[in-house]
Amino acid sequence: GIQVEQSPPDLILQEGANSTLRCNFSDSVNNLQWFHQNPWGQLINLFYIPSGTKQNGRLSATTVATERYSLLYISSSQTTDSGVYFCAGNAGNNRKLIWGLGTSLAVNP
Amino acid sequence: EAGVAQSPRYKIIEKRQSVAFWCNPISGHATLYWYQQILGQGPKLLIQFQNNGVVDDSQLPKDRFSAERLKGVDSTLKIQPAKLEDSAVYLCASSQLLGEQFFGPGTRLTVL
Repeated sequence: GIQVEQSPPDLILQEGANSTLRCNFSDSVNNLQWFHQNPWGQLINLFYIPSGTKQNGRLSATTVATERYSLLYISSSQTTDSGVYFCAGNAGNNRKLIWGLGTSLAVNP
Repeated sequence: EAGVAQSPRYKIIEKRQSVAFWCNPISGHATLYWYQQILGQGPKLLIQFQNNGVVDDSQLPKDRFSAERLKGVDSTLKIQPAKLEDSAVYLCASSQLLGEQFFGPGTRLTVL
């Protein structure tokens, strides 16, 4: 089945720094999503981005479907950005989301 | 627009007891999902409904877990009897058919 690999697995930033998180998939996926899981366990939708580029405030994401990867950019990081970032997508007509293992981000003041 | 609602938020039970979780999806969302998330891992799909029919329950431990969505709207997930390894966060999500999935706040289950 499709594998989704996220990198880096862990990241520590100083407040104000920028970062790029990557999601590689072994085959074509549809409906790629990025989520932020906060320290209380809530999964928050960041982007629904099957292809192209989207921006929302300090966050932006780019998916290059033909090359099977997606990037999440965090600029001017804040302590509230801490948590785990997941990417997930599904393949073909299968609605089941295949998840990466996540990137654990800690932003220090 | 109201999000996905779940209750309870927290539950502590002893092993071999029963527990039930409730989920109300976003209005108009035909597809409803139950996930289990063990600490440090990504969510694992337990069961997926489209309206009131089961689309995928291949990873549901059917000897102890059951779920229903009788009227195609809200859903319940039950564990009977619970084991220690069932301690996890149970997440409900909904989507319009093949689209973007939205998650509820989850129920954190501790089995002692």
